[in-house]
Amino acid sequence: AQSVTQLGSHVSVSEGALVLLRCNYSSSVPPYLFWYVQYPNQGLQLLLKYTSAATLVKGINGFEAEFKKSETSFHLTKPSAHMSDAAEYFCAVSDAGGGNKLTFGTGTQLKVEL
Amino acid sequence: NAGVTQTPKFRVLKTGQSMTLLCAQDMNHEYMYWYRQDPGMGLRLIHYSVGEGTTAKGEVPDGYNVSRLKKQNFLLGLESAAPSQTSVYFCASRARVGHGYTFGSGTRLTVV
Repeated sequence: AQSVTQLGSHVSVSEGALVLLRCNYSSSVPPYLFWYVQYPNQGLQLLLKYTSAATLVKGINGFEAEFKKSETSFHLTKPSAHMSDAAEYFCAVSDAGGGNKLTFGTGTQLKVEL
Repeated sequence: NAGVTQTPKFRVLKTGQSMTLLCAQDMNHEYMYWYRQDPGMGLRLIHYSVGEGTTAKGEVPDGYNVSRLKKQNFLLGLESAAPSQTSVYFCASRARVGHGYTFGSGTRLTVV
């Protein structure tokens, strides 16, 4: 069974500082990996996805993530945080079969302070 | 281009009442999903469908039923609502393997 673990349910950074949100996955086959963002009272929006084409994936709003098979990690980063980045972020893993279901992590709430 | 539309957006039910949540997508996607979101638990899959006329159980299917009679619609039913079903429900769809999901804006359900 696939799973993802997001380390840190709450992360706080200063505006302009590096954002690092951690995600480790467990999968028996090469996975598809995703990061989603959820703003208050909204649905989830796709930030970026890894589908084995390249290990460094660039997404929207200046975010990127690097797939590291040796570490089973897919951490999300952004060089400089903006107030508008405050939201909840979810890492998710999907396999190629079984309905292509996404299994989500428990989420990381990002707070950006002045 | 509406994407994924969920109705209703809010609902309060009394214990034992029934209701149906509607999800409609206009992207001709094959796969559709129903998730529930609870604080500290992320999103958990209730039921899903890999095409018109098909449904399958997810991680937390008990107390829910679904139907996908038309490709664009995926209905989630609660036959006898319980307080434990108080949650935010999200519908999502995707075109094919490896594609990201498109989510609806959610239905906030309270069972009293």
